[in-house]
Amino acid sequence: GAGVSQSPSNKVTEKGKDVELRCDPISGHTALYWYRQSLGQGLEFLIYFQGNSAPDKSGLPSDRFSAERTGGSVSTLTIQRTQQEDSAVYLCASSQTSGRGNEQFFGPGTRLTVL
Amino acid sequence: EDQVTQSPEALRLQEGESSSLNCSYTVSGLRGLFWYRQDPGKGPEFLFTLYSAGEEKEKERLKATLTKKESFLHITAPKPEDSATYLCAVRHGGDYKLSFGAGTTVTVRA
Repeated sequence: GAGVSQSPSNKVTEKGKDVELRCDPISGHTALYWYRQSLGQGLEFLIYFQGNSAPDKSGLPSDRFSAERTGGSVSTLTIQRTQQEDSAVYLCASSQTSGRGNEQFFGPGTRLTVL
Repeated sequence: EDQVTQSPEALRLQEGESSSLNCSYTVSGLRGLFWYRQDPGKGPEFLFTLYSAGEEKEKERLKATLTKKESFLHITAPKPEDSATYLCAVRHGGDYKLSFGAGTTVTVRA
């Protein structure tokens, strides 16, 4: 596609429920990233996928968070047993890994609200 | 640990009133400093990448510069459509993730 797409755009859930957020990267981009943007805070790195390599999960805040990337393309971020502090905008980005800059291009985000 | 600090937090400008935003960073082995623009309810939009001190990039009314410790985003004769939050981020070493500053929210009044 022309850009990174994410779904749903908005998700409201009850505390304790599981949620899945989806990201479809730019075609041909081998690297995919998830970030979280909480109200009034900067973007916080969550996880990074590069090709078939093991993902860098160093930014995941707890074991309730997990992500997978199937076929080197679409990625799903799963949050189990959601808590109110998980409320944030979840942003996905993709990039090419060749070249110097590795510029990351972001999707529109999924706004998650945990009641 | 990487630190990226942006100032000011907010900037209110009159249309045509030029100004600059600052991004100071502490990182070893800088592999790129990135500027993004973010409109309310949208994801960040890529603007520039700078790699080494002395480098400059321009796009329309925006110009980004880089020194060994900081970057500036100059907005020349801004228009109301330049109103947005401008984010600065750094990448270092062999790491691919970006470390972001908190952003500067620019409001341009007609």
